Amino acid sequence: DAKTTQPTSMDCAEGRAANLPCNHSTISGNEYVYWYRQIHSQGPQYIIHGLKNNETNEMASLIITEDRKSSTLILPHATLRDTAVYYCIVRVAYSGTASKLTFGTGTRLQVTL
Amino acid sequence: KAGVTQTPRYLIKTRGQQVTLSCSPISGHRSVSWYQQTPGQGLQFLFEYFSETQRNKGNFPGRFSGRQFSNSRSEMNVSTLELGDSALYLCASSLGPDGELFFGEGSRLTVL
Repeated sequence: DAKTTQPTSMDCAEGRAANLPCNHSTISGNEYVYWYRQIHSQGPQYIIHGLKNNETNEMASLIITEDRKSSTLILPHATLRDTAVYYCIVRVAYSGTASKLTFGTGTRLQVTL
Repeated sequence: KAGVTQTPRYLIKTRGQQVTLSCSPISGHRSVSWYQQTPGQGLQFLFEYFSETQRNKGNFPGRFSGRQFSNSRSEMNVSTLELGDSALYLCASSLGPDGELFFGEGSRLTVL
């Protein structure tokens, strides 16, 4: 699976949009971009995933560049409960090894008042 | 709908002992994966089971083993515990090998 690079930490004011970047310059054509987050002392939580089109769900939006070498997770109105470590993961889906996720160090997002 | 349930949530063992952790997946999920999380190594994949068969295995010594039962519940076992085995052990389930992973709260193991 391709390697990802994320900033170590970011701050965001409550109510503002949080934009979390991820670089995955070696991504292959059949690899998806997944985002998970881990709130302190809890298991990781799935947020969203995409292949090449932008995706949106009730939690967040995922913007993938046209060359697919980077992406941005957007939390449109961050709240204090969004404070967590966010992991950007690239994986080949539908390969039988999809459960073998490679977590990097992630971005620690701190949402403040 | 109940989530992934892991037991016990916390446990303390001493070096040389063994430990068994249990994971009950979300109803209907047939794939169970295990991860180890430590401050130094982060989240690392241990193994994955689907239909009672181990499908994938991470880079861990043979002291780490697991199994899955016909009802999809899974257990992992660590024998001859070492101090470095102190970690949060996370279980995740999915509908199948390619589904989204849903994680449990984890079992926090401390080895003294």
